Amino acid sequence: EVQLVESGGGLVEPGGSLRLSCVVSGFTFSSYSMNWVRQAPGKGLEWVSSISYRRTGSYINYADSVKGRFIISRDNAQKSLHLQMNSLRVEDTAVYYCVRGAGEATGDYWGQGTLVTVSS
Amino acid sequence: DIQMTQSPSAMSASVGDRVTITCRASQGISHYLAWIQQKPGKVPKRLIYTASGLQSGVPSRFSGSGSGTEFTLTIGSLQPDDFATYYCLQHNSYPYTFGQGTKVEIK
Repeated sequence: EVQLVESGGGLVEPGGSLRLSCVVSGFTFSSYSMNWVRQAPGKGLEWVSSISYRRTGSYINYADSVKGRFIISRDNAQKSLHLQMNSLRVEDTAVYYCVRGAGEATGDYWGQGTLVTVSS
Repeated sequence: DIQMTQSPSAMSASVGDRVTITCRASQGISHYLAWIQQKPGKVPKRLIYTASGLQSGVPSRFSGSGSGTEFTLTIGSLQPDDFATYYCLQHNSYPYTFGQGTKVEIK
């Protein structure tokens, strides 16, 4: 059974940092690109970042809204995906989902989400 | 960036109705479009991949069509479990983008 389990969310003050993690099981993690998608309270879904599966180097992309502040990374040995979030803003408040895939697999599995609240 | 525009933004329908939701891309995305269902307080769930592929385990009353810039999600006969918000997602090029969502409510 495919599982994606996020952790690391919480309350942080504006300007602060937080590191999200997603540990997966049930599939060959190193063979899949991975994504972070977020949803602000009462709002729609927003793609945040993607990282490819490639062995030699990783192809990484970010939404303009987080570029320069967030860093996505992965550890294939630990089957984990991470999102380092720096210089957090109130508008980064959202549930953050770990999402599998690219190409035909895009969005086929989602984690349960972790809530990040940025507030003073 | 590719903009995804869904219509309608919200709709009321009755059990048994045929429901159609449209998603328009601001530029061609081939068939790289997914449809996502989200119920209140729940994790999003993929229904359709690459425009017309039915996700395993999803009822056959759901279908998708289209390519290029125009896409459609159809629910053949609306069931009580289908009242939710539906999103399209383009994954042809980065940044990936979602439509704004279509909320399907009970009439």
